[in-house]
Amino acid sequence: NAGVTQTPKFRVLKTGQSMTLLCAQDMNHEYMYWYRQDPGMGLRLIHYSVGEGTTAKGEVPDGYNVSRLKKQNFLLGLESAAPSQTSVYFCASSYSPDRHPTDYGYTFGSGTRLTVV
Amino acid sequence: SQQGEEDPQALSIQEGENATMNCSYKTSINNLQWYRQNSGRGLVHLILIRSNEREKHSGRLRVTLDTSKKSSSLLITASRAADTASYFCATDLYSSASKIIFGSGTRLSIRP
Repeated sequence: NAGVTQTPKFRVLKTGQSMTLLCAQDMNHEYMYWYRQDPGMGLRLIHYSVGEGTTAKGEVPDGYNVSRLKKQNFLLGLESAAPSQTSVYFCASSYSPDRHPTDYGYTFGSGTRLTVV
Repeated sequence: SQQGEEDPQALSIQEGENATMNCSYKTSINNLQWYRQNSGRGLVHLILIRSNEREKHSGRLRVTLDTSKKSSSLLITASRAADTASYFCATDLYSSASKIIFGSGTRLSIRP
């Protein structure tokens, strides 16, 4: 049982390049989330998904796109990377048998450290 | 804007002492959660307290919630070196209970 797996773990991009971060969970969780963590700022929510085929914007969605084609996968895309997107990105998932997914703790991946030069 | 804010930002104590961290939030919530993050790692869920609960225990952890003051505290008793980490509170929004928002965290250092 791997939990939440993020790939890649590290990446360096040049400004303007694109990339996709992959998050996979094997816990049959309905809800999945993408956060970014910058020094001294805690975690900020980028996008989230309440189920397969659905996505919604979080606090800082600009410059990112997401897709949830399969329940177990949540992809985060950067179409044209900018230095301001240098950060550590965390994916999380949550079990939700009812209408309050926040009644359960989130399971986090180990993060992707992205540097845009 | 962040929903929760931790205080202090950094805390250094001697091994064996108790550590107390506080969290304040702005709007009504369904529940509040505490997470731990070791350096370079992902977050680990510690404990969840619902809005109708006032206190909860889990091992050496004690969490309190005061909804009238919109604040919570996390107490770690008999601290150990392995407790060195950053601790984050996270709250949902009563009006939109599909996601949680994190505070900026408290960095806890345990001195041997």
